[in-house]
Amino acid sequence: ELKVEQNPLFLSMQEGKNYTIYCNYSTTSDRLYWYRQDPGKSLESLFVLLSNGAVKQEGRLMASLDTKARLSTLHITAAVHDLSATYFCAVDRGGNQFYFGTGTSLTVIP
Amino acid sequence: DVKVTQSSRYLVKRTGEKVFLECVQDMDHENMFWYRQDPGLGLRLIYFSYDVKMKEKGDIPEGYSVSREKKERFSLILESASTNQTSMYLCASSLGGAVGYTFGSGTRLTVV
Repeated sequence: ELKVEQNPLFLSMQEGKNYTIYCNYSTTSDRLYWYRQDPGKSLESLFVLLSNGAVKQEGRLMASLDTKARLSTLHITAAVHDLSATYFCAVDRGGNQFYFGTGTSLTVIP
Repeated sequence: DVKVTQSSRYLVKRTGEKVFLECVQDMDHENMFWYRQDPGLGLRLIYFSYDVKMKEKGDIPEGYSVSREKKERFSLILESASTNQTSMYLCASSLGGAVGYTFGSGTRLTVV
């Protein structure tokens, strides 16, 4: 059974600090996706990572993929309050079927 | 802008009722998906479809069925709603390949 594990599940961090969210998965895949969900809202696409060593950056967020280690990271630089949300990683297990992690709920404290 | 529209934002239904959740996309996408989201469990795939009239079971299809009569519309049916089907239901569509999903705004269903 495919497992996608995110950690931490909950993260409270101060504004201006850096932190990394980890996404480990148990099957071979070279396609990994990151999504953001604001409270009461749907999921918004953040990053699409399609090969080993892929790195994508948008503002204070940077995502990377290591397919050999079956690990993706989402790095937050100098956090601001607007980044408070739940972040999901998702692995394409084939046939465009995504298997999602349990999510990381991020709260940025002033 | 690309859109996936779910017809209801909130629904309250009684146990035993037949419930229809509608999803429409305007992007001419082949692939459509239904997920449910529960705290601590993330998103779990219920059913998906790669084409009109085609459907495939996901990881948790029990108690659900789907219908795809037109390319743009994918309906999720709860044959006889139960309280353990209280959840947030998310519809998504995709062009396929390496492109990610576009999600609808979600339907929060409460079964009483």
